[in-house]
Amino acid sequence: QVQLQESGPGLVKPSETLSLTCTVSGASISPYWWSWIRQSPGKGLEWIGYIYYSGSTSYNPSLKSRVTMSVDTSKNQFSLRLSSVTAADTGVYYCAKGGEPPEDWGQGTLVTVSS
Amino acid sequence: DIQMTQSPSTLSASVGDRVTITCRASQSVNNWLAWYQQKPGKAPKLLIYKASTLKSGVPSRFSGSGSGTEFTLTISSLQPDDFATYYCQQYDSYGTFGQGTKVEIK
Repeated sequence: QVQLQESGPGLVKPSETLSLTCTVSGASISPYWWSWIRQSPGKGLEWIGYIYYSGSTSYNPSLKSRVTMSVDTSKNQFSLRLSSVTAADTGVYYCAKGGEPPEDWGQGTLVTVSS
Repeated sequence: DIQMTQSPSTLSASVGDRVTITCRASQSVNNWLAWYQQKPGKAPKLLIYKASTLKSGVPSRFSGSGSGTEFTLTISSLQPDDFATYYCQQYDSYGTFGQGTKVEIK
């Protein structure tokens, strides 16, 4: 049974970069797609994007200019970076196995954008 | 962007009831439609993908149907564990979620 665990700062200042890592256990990063999704009271569930183990990506067009995803196969991890954050980026961030659709999700981590 | 609209937003039902939730897409998503169940404080759990394929381990009382722009999630006999919020997601063009349907106890 695959398990995913998000990690990273719970508080990020406006205009800075949000960085999260998802550690995968119970499955190898290859040869799968891996997703990031977020949830906020105001916007509900929002698909951020996904990355293939080889590094190919697909991002939400509304976030594409600020999003970077990467994979570290040696550590069985994948990561999310979201730049120039504002309060609107506050929410629970989930990582998940699978891209279309995300099938197994981590428990989520709350990220608050505030000074 | 493809918009997904669920109805109703809230549904009151009793144990044993047959429950149907509808999800409409602003344009065709073919059959690239998933359904999730979410309980408070927990991550969404995938129930159905490709509109009607039940994920392994999901009880058979859950079923999905539809194609193109209109889809339904049916729970044939509501159980106590089924009171939760349900979301649809299209993955034909990027990924968009519906706003959710809360199934509450009547």
